[in-house]
Amino acid sequence: DAKTTQPNSMESNEEEPVHLPCNHSTISGTDYIHWYRQLPSQGPEYVIHGLTSNVNNRMASLAIAEDRKSSTLILHRATLRDAAVYYCILRRSGGSNYKLTFGKGTLLTVNP
Amino acid sequence: KAGVTQTPRYLIKTRGQQVTLSCSPISGHRSVSWYQQTPGQGLQFLFEYFSETQRNKGNFPGRFSGRQFSNSRSEMNVSTLELGDSALYLCASSGRLAGLSYNEQFFGPGTRLTVL
Repeated sequence: DAKTTQPNSMESNEEEPVHLPCNHSTISGTDYIHWYRQLPSQGPEYVIHGLTSNVNNRMASLAIAEDRKSSTLILHRATLRDAAVYYCILRRSGGSNYKLTFGKGTLLTVNP
Repeated sequence: KAGVTQTPRYLIKTRGQQVTLSCSPISGHRSVSWYQQTPGQGLQFLFEYFSETQRNKGNFPGRFSGRQFSNSRSEMNVSTLELGDSALYLCASSGRLAGLSYNEQFFGPGTRLTVL
């Protein structure tokens, strides 16, 4: 699996936007970019995923660079509940491979 | 729809013992994956089962095994426990949705295993 690089930690203020970066310079053409997050004392939860185009859902937006070597997860208005570890994961498309390879992730702290 | 459930939530064992953890996936999901989470190694993939067959396996010793039943419920077993097996064990299920190339994984709350 191609590797991803994320900052160890980031800090934000409540109700402000948060941009969480992820570098994946060895991404292949068939790799999807996924984001999961893990709130304290819980299992990870799916946030969003994309291939080439920017994606939006009720939780967040995913901005993917044109060369796909980096991406940014955007939380439009951070809340205290968004404090979590955010994982950027690459997964090859096709087949039935449900294995997720987690890195260290980014610990997001949200200040009130 | 009920989420992924794992039992027990907490477990304390001693070295050399064995342990069995249980996972009930979301109704209709046929894929169940297991992960180990420790402070030092983070989240690591153990194995994945689909329709009672192990389809993927991570880099763990043979002491770690699993199985899946016809109702998709899964169990994982760790024999001859070591102190380093103390971890949060997470189960995740996935289902196939028509027209989608990717199926997100839904994680349970985990079983916290402490080996003394």
